[in-house]
Amino acid sequence: GENVEQHPSTLSVQEGDSAVIKCTYSDSASNYFPWYKQELGKGSQLIIDIRSNVGEKKDQRIAVTLNKTAKHFSLHITETQPEDSAVYFCAASIYNNDMRFGAGTRLTVKP
Amino acid sequence: DSGVTQTPKHLITATGQRVTLRCSPRSGDLSVYWYQQSLDQGLQFLIQYYNGEERAKGNILERFSAQQFPDLHSELNLSSLELGDSALYFCASSASGSTANEQFFGPGTRLTVL
Repeated sequence: GENVEQHPSTLSVQEGDSAVIKCTYSDSASNYFPWYKQELGKGSQLIIDIRSNVGEKKDQRIAVTLNKTAKHFSLHITETQPEDSAVYFCAASIYNNDMRFGAGTRLTVKP
Repeated sequence: DSGVTQTPKHLITATGQRVTLRCSPRSGDLSVYWYQQSLDQGLQFLIQYYNGEERAKGNILERFSAQQFPDLHSELNLSSLELGDSALYFCASSASGSTANEQFFGPGTRLTVL
């Protein structure tokens, strides 16, 4: 089955700096790659997603890039703010029928 | 608020016991997914139901079972509980049966097995 690896497991940045989280996947048939943000005590919430026919997608301070050849995708957060502090999960969906999540990255933005 | 509700919020029980977790999806969503999140672990996909039928199965133990009812709410049954079953259990819902779309997560049920 699909295997998703996520790095780093923890990331600490100063407010205003950029943060980058990387994920790799194993199955080239994966076609949908969402990123979820999980705040303490809450369920995960989709922040951005990308499909396999697109190389990059941006939404304000958040961007995701996808390299299908290398089978990796990355989340970029610019101008980080303390409220960006959370656990971020990447995921990959294969054949529209299976969603595998990475182990998560705990991002801390220091004021 | 995602529109997905889960009850109970917390559950404390003993080894060997059986518990039922409940999930109500967003209005109009036909798919329900169950995930297990152990301490400092990612979301492990357990099972998906779509419009009452099992759609996909992940790393779900034989001691665990789920179902989706005609009103689309779902229950996850965990039996012969072990210490290692202590975790957060999340339910998510989506409009279609495809996993290639946004899932809306509930706030989770924290299960503690003593």
